[in-house]
Amino acid sequence: QKEVEQNSGPLSVPEGAIASLNCTYSDRGSQSFFWYRQYSGKSPELIMSIYSNGDKEDGRFTAQLNKASQYVSLLIRDSQPSDSATYLCAVNPGSSNTGKLIFGQGTTLQVKP
Amino acid sequence: DAGVIQSPRHEVTEMGQEVTLRCKPISGHDYLFWYRQTMMRGLELLIYFNNNVPIDDSGMPEDRFSAKMPNASFSTLKIQPSEPRDSAVYFCASSLGGGPSSYEQYFGPGTRLTVT
Repeated sequence: QKEVEQNSGPLSVPEGAIASLNCTYSDRGSQSFFWYRQYSGKSPELIMSIYSNGDKEDGRFTAQLNKASQYVSLLIRDSQPSDSATYLCAVNPGSSNTGKLIFGQGTTLQVKP
Repeated sequence: DAGVIQSPRHEVTEMGQEVTLRCKPISGHDYLFWYRQTMMRGLELLIYFNNNVPIDDSGMPEDRFSAKMPNASFSTLKIQPSEPRDSAVYFCASSLGGGPSSYEQYFGPGTRLTVT
């Protein structure tokens, strides 16, 4: 079992719809969770961080964390073609007590006009 | 702040040559990370430093790879000798550290390495 798992996609949604990206992790002691967006040919860009169970909203983005189910998700409301990118889930392993992050393989999102 | 700075942005070299990649982290960040990204393997952590000290180099593929951080504002990743399978994008990232809420990593633009 991979430490951080994501569906590689592509996930295709029409413009204006809600895109739902999902991530599961194996280390139950993990405390910090991050979502990065990576456009083709560019570097990963941090868009959301979440540390507590529940929802965290930032503009059109909502991160959801459920530690009991070891599940973190990212919702993008009113999806735009400019949201088309690969979204990487990253988790700080609870056992590390350091700044190390484990990244998933990423989910490619395509928003069609 | 200028963000994480990497050089060169592109490097094309022949098999067997030495390659040196450079990184300047964000000022004040205590952690520095080197990653490699390929289509097949995704984003892989190679090595990371805390306060200039290497903490975990278990991701370094083999002895041909080495990394140093002589001071808080500079790190190098060296490949000697280079091989075609080393072709990838190499990213440097930095973070504040100091606790779960400070583990956000910020990435540099990357170095695209091609070994022919």
